[in-house]
Amino acid sequence: EAGVAQSPRYKIIEKRQSVAFWCNPISGHATLYWYQQILGQGPKLLIQFQNNGVVDDSQLPKDRFSAERLKGVDSTLKIQPAKLEDSAVYLCASSLGASGMSYEQYFGPGTRLTVT
Amino acid sequence: RKEVEQDPGPFNVPEGATVAFNCTYSNSASQSFFWYRQDCRKEPKLLMSVYSSGNEDGRFTAQLNRASQYISLLIRDSKLSDSATYLCVVNSKNTNAGKSTFGDGTTLTVKP
Repeated sequence: EAGVAQSPRYKIIEKRQSVAFWCNPISGHATLYWYQQILGQGPKLLIQFQNNGVVDDSQLPKDRFSAERLKGVDSTLKIQPAKLEDSAVYLCASSLGASGMSYEQYFGPGTRLTVT
Repeated sequence: RKEVEQDPGPFNVPEGATVAFNCTYSNSASQSFFWYRQDCRKEPKLLMSVYSSGNEDGRFTAQLNRASQYISLLIRDSKLSDSATYLCVVNSKNTNAGKSTFGDGTTLTVKP
């Protein structure tokens, strides 16, 4: 079974530039998550989709971050414009059902973003 | 106060030692609980779910105390390969689906 795919694996940009990350979840997984993990901290949920609908984006900085999941499959996360504090690993995860129903989350390898 | 709190460690233990980690959570309506393992510069992976009655998987034992709002992970007979960061995860129900909150992790180093 193929895992969660993410690209790119690494990205270096200057502040005020824009960047986009792509995620392809495990086939058949209804729920897709984007997390931000800053060094030394646990993953912080940015946005959660169930199929192609947003169920939680309460921690997404909507003035600069946006995400979409067209057709309920793959997803993109965009940052525009980037700030220095956006330097982090961006993790995509998917699960068969909603996390509140005790489904395991499978994580992709992440995109390591450095903003200079 | 953070929703999920863990002792960051680091815990440095010799091979064969027994080590325990605790994790406290603030939302009394939390429904499900997990321990994930994260190796350096890798993605988190599920280690085990935590059930109300407690559960064991080989050398690993997880327990839940709803009254005191904490979960624990016990590792017996530590191996070098157990060196990693252990993340506590607490799920709660929001309007449409569950929401996962991760702790900041506890770092374990097992030494020969």
